[in-house]
Parts: sequence; C-alpha cells; structure tokens
Amino acid sequence: KQEVTQIPAALSVPEGENLVLNCSFTDSAIYNLQWFRQDPGKGLTSLLLIQSSQREQTSGRLNASLDKSSGRSTLYIAASQPGDSATYLCAVLSGFQKLVFGTGTRLLVSP
Amino acid sequence: GAGVSQTPSNKVTEKGKYVELRCDPISGHTALYWYRQSLGQGPEFLIYFQGTGAADDSGLPNDRFFAVRPEGSVSTLKIQRTERGDSAVYLCASSPRTSGRKSSYNEQFFGPGTRLTVL
Repeated sequence: KQEVTQIPAALSVPEGENLVLNCSFTDSAIYNLQWFRQDPGKGLTSLLLIQSSQREQTSGRLNASLDKSSGRSTLYIAASQPGDSATYLCAVLSGFQKLVFGTGTRLLVSP
Repeated sequence: GAGVSQTPSNKVTEKGKYVELRCDPISGHTALYWYRQSLGQGPEFLIYFQGTGAADDSGLPNDRFFAVRPEGSVSTLKIQRTERGDSAVYLCASSPRTSGRKSSYNEQFFGPGTRLTVL
C-alpha cells in the first residue's frame, strides 16, 4: 500500500527566505507526483505536476524535483512571501487515476 | 471558465440522518473523483467515475456510502445513517478524460469542498 509522508508538518519563516518542503513515498512505482496548495476553507490548487520520467518542474518561484528510485520529492520556494502562507500537499498517482496524498506542510511566512 | 463546484459548502446534520452532497464538474470532463479530508489529514480517495459508471469504488469506507453520476456529469455522494466519524471535508475533482491505460494521466481539478459536520 502506497504511503506518502511530508516533513516538516509545520514551518514558520520570515519573508524573503528560501525554503524546502519534503515528500517521501513508499512505493516507487508511481506514474507521477503533484504538489498542491490548500488555503483555509478552500479546495486544492495544483502547483506542479512531475511525470515519472521527469526529474523536475518549475513554475515561477517554485521548483519541484522528483527522485523516483529513492521515493522522494522536494518543493523549493524561492524568496518566500506572506501570500505563500498555506498548506502544501504532495500527492502521487498510485493505481489507476487514484491520488494518494501526504498529510501536508503548514507554511506561515511572516512579513 | 467555471471550475468544479460543490454544494452545499457546509452541511450540519444529526447522527443517523441521511445526507446528499453534490458535485458539478468542469463542463466536458468525463472523469470525476470524490475524496474525503479529515481534520489535519490529507485527502483520501473514495470513488472514481469514468462517464456514468464507477470505475473504482475501493475507497468507500462502508455500505452507508454511495455515489451516482446518472448522466455522466453531475455526481451525488450519498451517506446513510450518518455517524460522528463521517465529519470531514468532502472534495470533488474532475479531469478531461482517461485513455483507460495506467500510463496515461490527466490533471485533476478540485472543487472547494463540502464541510460535513455530524452532531
């Protein structure tokens, strides 16, 4: 059974810092990995999707890497801003069209 | 264009009651998914529809839970004899299509969720 773990569970940083969120998964036979953002009371916003054949994806200040053989992914956020405060969820496609999520990292960026 | 919508946004009910949660997917999306998110946890898969049929319902916790998608668009998640442990945010997602092969994938677009509270 696929299990996804995210570290740290919570993170508080001052504005402007670069930071790294970690995601690990137990079964390396994934089809892709996706990072989402969730604001309180809101649904999920997809940030980056990395196919199993890819090593990384970039969007603006966000960069996500994937090491499928070791079961790890990182989300790098450059020059963090207060608007980045949210919960970040990692999910892997494990099985036919079924996303398996981690428990998330709650990020707070202080002005 | 319009995204995935879910109604109601909040539902409070009493233990033992029946509830229905509705999901309107993005127009033209043939695949629809239901997930459940408990407090402090990530979403957990419940059921996946391709068109009108449930392609995978392995995540439904027990037979009190049932979902339909009669016309291949709107879906309703039905919970009978609700229990306090059913309290959670129920999320719906849709994607354009699937090819039927495991190697293919279409991005899932999520709605805002329905927060269900069972007293």
